[in-house]
Amino acid sequence: IQMSQSPSTLSAFVGDRVTITCRASQNINNWLAWYQHKPGKAPKLLISRASILESGVPSRFSGSASGTEFTLTISGLQPDDFGTYYCQQYNSYSPMYTFGQGTKLEI
Amino acid sequence: QLQLQESGPGVVKPSETLSLTCSVSGDSIATSLRYWAWIRQSPGKGLEWIGTIFSTGKTYYTPSLGSRITISVDKSKNHFALKLNSVTAADTAVYYCATRPRVDVPVALWGQGTLVAVSS
Repeated sequence: IQMSQSPSTLSAFVGDRVTITCRASQNINNWLAWYQHKPGKAPKLLISRASILESGVPSRFSGSASGTEFTLTISGLQPDDFGTYYCQQYNSYSPMYTFGQGTKLEI
Repeated sequence: QLQLQESGPGVVKPSETLSLTCSVSGDSIATSLRYWAWIRQSPGKGLEWIGTIFSTGKTYYTPSLGSRITISVDKSKNHFALKLNSVTAADTAVYYCATRPRVDVPVALWGQGTLVAVSS
């Protein structure tokens, strides 16, 4: 399964609403996660099953799905939201998974 | 609290074997039924899952590395290991270890990562 993520880079201002899109090459039944990755740190899980916000993640982050297209939205961008965002396809039957190419968000 | 820490040489010569370990603290790798994984990020590129081992020893590898990769568990040392042989410059990357309790949840626990450069 291939994951196609866009855009590759994104510049926005504090307070903006930004959207990142991820498309799967086939139906993945919403087995989709979103991560935030900052330089020198471990990736942080934000969302699982396309739209379930992880505990402790600010509510300005949200995820949605429409068929094989998935969207991460950040509403009210904060300075700490810089970094690279990755989508990841996983599933219920195999330990193998695939990441999207990443979206670098510059504030 | 479960924690992971990668360790290993920062430089490996071309054609040699890259060896890394991921030390597990806060739980026993021998008794906890978890999936233990290695993920890497090459310079300027995205995250790439390269392989996973389940606590029973069953392994899963990315096809792109062929037979060059081996992941193993050392229960006596409470760590799991990555070996990648015949390395080239393309294997230069930050290597992360990570774990999850089931396949139907995404990876939530990662090590901090370790940079390995392939250079003569």
